[in-house]
Amino acid sequence: AQSVTQLDSQVPVFEEAPVELRCNYSSSVSVYLFWYVQYPNQGLQLLLKYLSGSTLVKGINGFEAEFNKSQTSFHLRKPSVHISDTAEYFCAVSEGSNYKLTFGKGTLLTVNP
Amino acid sequence: DGGITQSPKYLFRKEGQNVTLSCEQNLNHDAMYWYRQDPGQGLRLIYYSQIVNDFQKGDIAEGYSVSREKKESFPLTVTSAQKNPTAFYLCASSFSGGSYEQYFGPGTRLTVT
Repeated sequence: AQSVTQLDSQVPVFEEAPVELRCNYSSSVSVYLFWYVQYPNQGLQLLLKYLSGSTLVKGINGFEAEFNKSQTSFHLRKPSVHISDTAEYFCAVSEGSNYKLTFGKGTLLTVNP
Repeated sequence: DGGITQSPKYLFRKEGQNVTLSCEQNLNHDAMYWYRQDPGQGLRLIYYSQIVNDFQKGDIAEGYSVSREKKESFPLTVTSAQKNPTAFYLCASSFSGGSYEQYFGPGTRLTVT
């Protein structure tokens, strides 16, 4: 069965600093990987996804993620964060044709001035 | 504009009452999903439907029921059998297959006292 671990529940950073949000998954088959962002009291919005091909995936708002199959990781990065990036970030995985998305428990990114 | 609507945004009920949460999409998606979100728990799948008149239980289906009579609509009923119904409920939809991202509605916050 697939599972997702987000290693940090909270990440505080200062504005304009780089940030990395870590995500590890476990699965016995090929996977599709996703990062979503959730602002307070709102639904989730897709940041980026990895389906196949290049292991470096670029998304919206300047975020990118790198798929590492040997380490079963899909870490999210941004070189310089803004106050507006303060939100909760969720990593998710699906297996092949399986409709089911399994989510991590989320990482709350707080960007301080 | 295409999207997913959930209503109402906030819902208050007394213990022992059933309550139905609405979810409508105009994205022509085949699949629809219901998730429950609790602080620090990520998203947990309640029910999902891949096609009209068919649906499957997710990880936490006990105390919930759904119907899928139309492609556009997937209402969720929280029954009095659900022991801890207070939560944030999110509806999502997608095209068929695990490689397609899910699009989320704005959510309904249910409070039962």
